[in-house]
Amino acid sequence: NAGVMQNPRHLVRRRGQEARLRCSPMKGHSHVYWYRQLPEEGLKFMVYLQKENIIDESGMPKERFSAEFPKEGPSILRIQQVVRGDSAAYFCASSPLPGRQPQHFGDGTRLSIL
Amino acid sequence: AQSVTQLGSHVSVSEGALVLLRCNYSSSVPPYLFWYVQYPNQGLQLLLKYTTGATLVKGINGFEAEFKKSETSFHLTKPSAHMSDAAEYFCAVSESSGGSNYKLTFGKGTLLTVNP
Repeated sequence: NAGVMQNPRHLVRRRGQEARLRCSPMKGHSHVYWYRQLPEEGLKFMVYLQKENIIDESGMPKERFSAEFPKEGPSILRIQQVVRGDSAAYFCASSPLPGRQPQHFGDGTRLSIL
Repeated sequence: AQSVTQLGSHVSVSEGALVLLRCNYSSSVPPYLFWYVQYPNQGLQLLLKYTTGATLVKGINGFEAEFKKSETSFHLTKPSAHMSDAAEYFCAVSESSGGSNYKLTFGKGTLLTVNP
């Protein structure tokens, strides 16, 4: 299956710990998008990355959150010093060209904060 | 700025009945419109999309949607519900052009239950 791969599927952290979420885009896709889904809410755009570049991080909280998409390896969404409000499902999507729809989504990482 | 409103957070139908899930959008530029389905603990799967051309679009699993510009709507329908259609459905919009055409804006979702 050459779809968007996210890991881990479920992640449990205690308040104050760091969470790292990984996303490998579909083969041939070099554009990655992260979305967050809070309970009973739709997905909200967080950040758009190309290889080694952050294109748009307008949806990402200014503190504690960061994202990268290195030349080699998966895209990483990093949350430092997690708080209860970070509990959500985090989805990654990818596309072959900038802005080219549709985006293809992974199965998400469910983050739970104790 | 774009927004999506899905009327009805929960819709319940009987097996074999018509499915109608409502979506209204606002967009300052011509939109691209999408319906996604999410099964429990899974990611989003594209059902159908409208970009340009024919306003009635057909998708997978017997679903279709009609883009009505005058009503700013993109309602999703299926003539006969099946038990396997039970899931959450999301309507989404993106700009068709411009600097932010990669950004999807989602509605809050409609949970569809199908009763035997």
